[in-house]
Amino acid sequence: DTGVSQDPRHKITKRGQNVTFRCDPISEHNRLYWYRQTLGQGPEFLTYFQNEAQLEKSRLLSDRFSAERPKGSFSTLEIQRTEQGDSAMYLCASSFPGSNEKLFFGSGTQLSVL
Amino acid sequence: QQPVQSPQAVILREGEDAVINCSSSKALYSVHWYRQKHGEAPVFLMILLKGGEQKGHDKISASFNEKKQQSSLYLTASQLSYSGTYFCGIRSNDYKLSFGAGTTVTVRA
Repeated sequence: DTGVSQDPRHKITKRGQNVTFRCDPISEHNRLYWYRQTLGQGPEFLTYFQNEAQLEKSRLLSDRFSAERPKGSFSTLEIQRTEQGDSAMYLCASSFPGSNEKLFFGSGTQLSVL
Repeated sequence: QQPVQSPQAVILREGEDAVINCSSSKALYSVHWYRQKHGEAPVFLMILLKGGEQKGHDKISASFNEKKQQSSLYLTASQLSYSGTYFCGIRSNDYKLSFGAGTTVTVRA
């Protein structure tokens, strides 16, 4: 069990640029979640997948955000035309069936938009 | 909808006890508790399902009052390692967890 891994750990970008983050869940976990966390706040739900199907997307998520999970394995989160308000820690988590959604979190990608 | 946690922060000396509360305006299927240390990912502590059960993790325990839609986390005889931010996550009728804003616990020697 290597845990949930995320790449990169840190990303600094200029406003208007596109960024993409990757998450590799624990191998037998079929559900994968993306959360966003800002300083002093709890993780905020963005979207989740069951296998390759994206089952829910937060209404707070603008059209600039898109996520994929091809073949139900790793997932990518892309943010287009980044804004300073997108600066946050982006956390990925996974869970397995029958676990009552016990989440295993990755270490996150810290995004800074200048 | 986010659960409400209280207090926002608490400072303890080693050996002291504390209670963190989590309440929701929605009917709950389960309540989850996580702890996050500075610069690290949240780590799972425990899940409480409907039924008012109490669970424990070392000297950390929790209760879940389904009717009141509330959960409480009890830190007993706190240790330095208990320092961190505690989040409750609530699950209603779908799979996603909605997290509270967190309670920062500082345990001092």
